[in-house]
Amino acid sequence: DAGVTQSPTHLIKTRGQHVTLRCSPISGHKSVSWYQQVLGQGPQFIFQYYEKEERGRGNFPDRFSARQFPNYSSELNVNALLLGDSALYLCASSWSSSNQPQHFGDGTRLSIL
Amino acid sequence: QQQVKQSPQSLIVQKGGISIINCAYENTAFDYFPWYQQFPGKGPALLIAIRPDVSEKKEGRFTISFNKSAKQFSLHIMDSQPGDSATYFCAASKVSDTGGFKTIFGAGTRLFVKA
Repeated sequence: DAGVTQSPTHLIKTRGQHVTLRCSPISGHKSVSWYQQVLGQGPQFIFQYYEKEERGRGNFPDRFSARQFPNYSSELNVNALLLGDSALYLCASSWSSSNQPQHFGDGTRLSIL
Repeated sequence: QQQVKQSPQSLIVQKGGISIINCAYENTAFDYFPWYQQFPGKGPALLIAIRPDVSEKKEGRFTISFNKSAKQFSLHIMDSQPGDSATYFCAASKVSDTGGFKTIFGAGTRLFVKA
């Protein structure tokens, strides 16, 4: 079975631009969470979605938004990119909104120039 | 109250030795404590997890010890192997007000096992 898949794997953008990152959860998983991992640090929680509804939000500015589609895939959008947004963006899926464990994809490496 | 403090930052262990990584938390609402292993260029992979009603859980060479009163938990890797060299993250998770859950990660421990 396929694990969590994320696209693209790498992305280079410039300050002020907008980016969309995509995630497909493990088949049967209905919950998707997004994390930002800055080099040398642990992942930081951005959003959780379950059944197309936002179920949790971390301490990130409104430039960050996300949505979940009927097939449970998800997009993370970041507007007005800043140099500090350079990071590995991870998507994790789990079976339900409260069930654990989470399974992570290999992330999208976003570099802002 | 939302922090998870992890130590040490880095660890060097001889092959066959025991690797021990410690974590501490403040918020008693956390009710799920997973450990993840991450290799360069990869996402975190779940190793083992525990809930606070259990004091110890063992899976193969990996053991979690959990001290609820001290709000501390640790990962022990027995018979450490060079292939265990990776970054390890502890985490703590709690149910959110909106019916989901929120997971807080520690800063990570870089483990190097010498052959």
